[in-house]
Amino acid sequence: AQSVTQPDIHITVSEGASLELRCNYSYGATPYLFWYVQSPGQGLQLLLKYFSGDTLVQGIKGFEAEFKRSQSSFNLRKPSVHWSDAAEYFCAVGNSGTYKYIFGTGTRLKVLA
Amino acid sequence: DTGVSQNPRHKITKRGQNVTFRCDPISEHNRLYWYRQTLGQGPEFLTYFQNEAQLEKSRLLSDRFSAERPKGSFSTLEIQRTEQGDSAMYLCASSYDRDLPYEQYFGPGTRLTVT
Repeated sequence: AQSVTQPDIHITVSEGASLELRCNYSYGATPYLFWYVQSPGQGLQLLLKYFSGDTLVQGIKGFEAEFKRSQSSFNLRKPSVHWSDAAEYFCAVGNSGTYKYIFGTGTRLKVLA
Repeated sequence: DTGVSQNPRHKITKRGQNVTFRCDPISEHNRLYWYRQTLGQGPEFLTYFQNEAQLEKSRLLSDRFSAERPKGSFSTLEIQRTEQGDSAMYLCASSYDRDLPYEQYFGPGTRLTVT
């Protein structure tokens, strides 16, 4: 069965520090992978996506993610975190068959001033 | 383009009442999706439409739930005889099948509280 695992429920980093949020997926074919961010009471905003090609993808707000097929991972990174990055981050997998997304349970990021 | 809109943003209802939510997708988008998000969880797929056709429904969508997209534009999600377990954020998303595949644009959600 398709699934997405985000092992870290909460992460706290200091402003200016680097960030890595982990995402592992289980999927039988080449997945389409996404990272979304959700601020309190808001909908989901797409940060970046991977379909094919270069395994290092750049997104908005200075985020990047690397697709590693051998590890079934799609980790999100940012070299220097800003206080405004505090939010909940969701990894999702989609496919060409059903179109629906399967989301992980999310990682809540707290940024210390 | 104003993005995906959902109304109402918040709904408080008593157990046993019926509720209806509306989603207006981005105008040229022909696919529309409904998800449910409970506290501390990621969104879970409920159903999706291509134009006016409902093509897939999750087993989460019990017979108390019904969704429509009558003219292939806006969609409604109705919950009959609400239960406390229906309390959640209901998210709508839309996409266009000629875009790079499956980039879904989400609305702000409707938060339902069943008392």
